[in-house]
Amino acid sequence: NAGVMQNPRHLVRRRGQEARLRCSPMKGHSHVYWYRQLPEEGLKFMVYLQKENIIDESGMPKERFSAEFPKEGPSILRIQQVVRGDSAAYFCASSTSARNEQYFGPGTRLTVT
Amino acid sequence: QKEVEQNSGPLSVPEGAIASLNCTYSDRGSQSFFWYRQYSGKSPELIMSIYSNGDKEDGRFTAQLNKASQYVSLLIRDSQPSDSATYLCAVNSRFSSNTGKLIFGQGTTLQVKP
Repeated sequence: NAGVMQNPRHLVRRRGQEARLRCSPMKGHSHVYWYRQLPEEGLKFMVYLQKENIIDESGMPKERFSAEFPKEGPSILRIQQVVRGDSAAYFCASSTSARNEQYFGPGTRLTVT
Repeated sequence: QKEVEQNSGPLSVPEGAIASLNCTYSDRGSQSFFWYRQYSGKSPELIMSIYSNGDKEDGRFTAQLNKASQYVSLLIRDSQPSDSATYLCAVNSRFSSNTGKLIFGQGTTLQVKP
């Protein structure tokens, strides 16, 4: 049973470019979460999605960040016009329900130059 | 006051000893509690979940929950050098129980010395 998959594992973008991070949940999981871990900081919740719906985006920055989980295909976290402060590890997690255990993918390390 | 607090450590224990990791949380209505292990440069790996007061054992790991004291702990018996990592406490609070939002502590760094 494949775990949570994320790609790319490493992404380098210049300031002002767009970053697209992809996440495929574990088989049988319909709940997807994105977290961000800044250098030397803790994991911070960004957004929670189910298929075609954003349930909670209380942790998303108001501008430049968006997320989707279409009916077909992976969940996408999109960062427009990246800045150096966006450099971080972005983790996706999935679960079978909102209260159950969340399993994390390997993460995408974003570096903005 | 932070929502989830952990001592950052490092906590250093000799090989074979019991490591005790502690976590307190501020929302008395919190319902779900998790311990994750994170090796440097890697993603968090779920170790234990606990939902009700008392102890829950899984192999060398025991999670303890005391909702009255708003306290959750993780005991690692027979600690091994491979247990050296950062341990993250995560809480699903009453206000986010319908959304699955986990609030993480800063993590405790554990060092197990051979």
